[in-house]
Amino acid sequence: NAGVTQTPKFQVLKTGQSMTLQCAQDMNHEYMSWYRQDPGMGLRLIHYSVGAGITDQGEVPNGYNVSRSTTEDFPLRLLSAAPSQTSVYFCASSYFQTSMNTEAFFGQGTRLTVV
Amino acid sequence: AQKVTQAQTEISVVEKEDVTLDCVYETRDTTYYLFWYKQPPSGELVFLIRRNSFDEQNEISGRYSWNFQKSTSSFNFTITASQVVDSAVYFCALLLEDTDKLIFGTGTRLQVFP
Repeated sequence: NAGVTQTPKFQVLKTGQSMTLQCAQDMNHEYMSWYRQDPGMGLRLIHYSVGAGITDQGEVPNGYNVSRSTTEDFPLRLLSAAPSQTSVYFCASSYFQTSMNTEAFFGQGTRLTVV
Repeated sequence: AQKVTQAQTEISVVEKEDVTLDCVYETRDTTYYLFWYKQPPSGELVFLIRRNSFDEQNEISGRYSWNFQKSTSSFNFTITASQVVDSAVYFCALLLEDTDKLIFGTGTRLQVFP
């Protein structure tokens, strides 16, 4: 049981480049989300999805796109990378978080540097 | 507005000391959920506890204990007889009943020295 798998673990981009951070879970969770972690700011929600075909914006969605074509996968796309997007990105999944006594499972994180 | 405040940015203790990490939350909702996560130096996020707003019982798990007080909107975390392996960043988080969004505090970095 792999849990939540994020790839890559590290990435360096040049300003203006695009890329996709991959996230996959094998727990059949409905809910998936992306957070970014910046020093002194905790984790902030970028986008989330409550099921295949359904996505919504979180607190800091600008510059990022998501899609949810399957239950298992929830990729995060940076359209045109900017230095302000240098951060550590976490993908998380869970059952509907308010439906049972459950927790959010997090991936290992992706450390992204935009130069 | 919903908010989680962890006023302690960094705490340093010597091994075997007890330490309490503070968490104060803000919400007008009557049903909500509170979490604590641990982020060790390796970077992953480790779930520690989830508490529902209608359950104010304190919880103890080994050296860890949690004190949930709705009257002061606090959900504090105490580590008894701290160990070097407890060194990590600890996050408190709030989940409202009508959303699926976890709201995180800014975290408290705990350093336990031998």
